[in-house]
Amino acid sequence: GAGVSQTPSNKVTEKGKYVELRCDPISGHTALYWYRQSLGQGPEFLIYFQGTGAADDSGLPNDRFFAVRPEGSVSTLKIQRTERGDSAVYLCASSPQGPGLGYGYTFGSGTRLTVV
Amino acid sequence: SQQGEEDPQALSIQEGENATMNCSYKTSINNLQWYRQNSGRGLVHLILIRSNEREKHSGRLRVTLDTSKKSSSLLITASRAADTASYFCATDAKGEYGNKLVFGAGTILRVKS
Repeated sequence: GAGVSQTPSNKVTEKGKYVELRCDPISGHTALYWYRQSLGQGPEFLIYFQGTGAADDSGLPNDRFFAVRPEGSVSTLKIQRTERGDSAVYLCASSPQGPGLGYGYTFGSGTRLTVV
Repeated sequence: SQQGEEDPQALSIQEGENATMNCSYKTSINNLQWYRQNSGRGLVHLILIRSNEREKHSGRLRVTLDTSKKSSSLLITASRAADTASYFCATDAKGEYGNKLVFGAGTILRVKS
């Protein structure tokens, strides 16, 4: 597609439930990134995919968070046993190639996750 | 923790004035990028400056980079009400902080018409 698409745009879930957030990057972009942004803060890195593999998952806060990109395009961020502290806007971005090569990121509009 | 820090946290100016935002960072970088965000959702890439560059222009935007001071500035000239947004610097770092852009907390710019 023309841009990075994230679905759903908003998600309200009960504490303890499982959620999946989807990201459809720009076609042909090999690098995909997930960030999390809380109110009044800058985006916080979660995970970076190069192709199908997670090249850097150092930002995932704990083992309740997991992400996949099985065919090197669409990615899903999965959160188990959600907690109220997981409430944030989850942003996905893609770039033609990985970091350090001089490409800017194209961001999606984000998924606003609210855990009640 | 986030590497970049923007200054000021908030800036309010009149339409037509220039707006200057500053960013400091901590590690060696490949490049530094500036993004704009409206209404707390998706970020828009504005400009990228490589570590071997000192100044770059794009339309009404001027970015400078001083790697010896580990700082950058974003200047928006002849501001418009539509420039009202949050602005973030992000560093593409080398070494242990590599493999991702690290964002600062941002500067909230309000341009009054």
